[in-house]
Amino acid sequence: AQSVTQLDSHVSVSEGTPVLLRCNYSSSYSPSLFWYVQHPNKGLQLLLKYTSAATLVKGINGFEAEFKKSETSFHLTKPSAHMSDAAEYFCVVRLSGNTPLVFGKGTRLSVIA
Amino acid sequence: DAGVIQSPRHEVTEMGQEVTLRCKPISGHNSLFWYRQTMMRGLELLIYFNNNVPIDDSGMPEDRFSAKMPNASFSTLKIQPSEPRDSAVYFCASTPGQLNEKLFFGSGTQLSVL
Repeated sequence: AQSVTQLDSHVSVSEGTPVLLRCNYSSSYSPSLFWYVQHPNKGLQLLLKYTSAATLVKGINGFEAEFKKSETSFHLTKPSAHMSDAAEYFCVVRLSGNTPLVFGKGTRLSVIA
Repeated sequence: DAGVIQSPRHEVTEMGQEVTLRCKPISGHNSLFWYRQTMMRGLELLIYFNNNVPIDDSGMPEDRFSAKMPNASFSTLKIQPSEPRDSAVYFCASTPGQLNEKLFFGSGTQLSVL
């Protein structure tokens, strides 16, 4: 069963405009949610994580994500895109305390000058 | 710290050959994960170890795949015999604890099986 769904495989934005990368999860419990970023030819890097504290989570490089239980969503946003933000972004969920992370299929973000 | 080190960075081999991918986790990390990344299936967890012991290998696609962790500083993922459908990027990651969410990834091994 799909635990995490990234709704867009590719998002393209102009430099300086807002970024929205969508993620929905399915879980009977209160999951732990994360966003990872993968720059070209590199391994993945943790961007931010939600673990039932504040619903709005701030990460590195100006990114943030909001946990909305009613919508089962954890969308990633950034007010103003930079060229260096071009990368693959993965929404990740841990369904319960003793299970490994489950990765979404990723969203490729392109930033146009 | 040098981070998670994987070798080789690229591997091109012919169908039927044995392939061995190597990983050196970050010193002090006691959990190690092997992932495979393809366009079709995204990032899939193959197997993970905690304190050198395999905990969950349910993601290993079939018997052609095997993984070992003989000590805390080294792990291998072996494919024998390799097939074209095994072509993918294979990532190794490590964490300080079994359930730690912050995975530290290596740069991956790009495997092409012709």
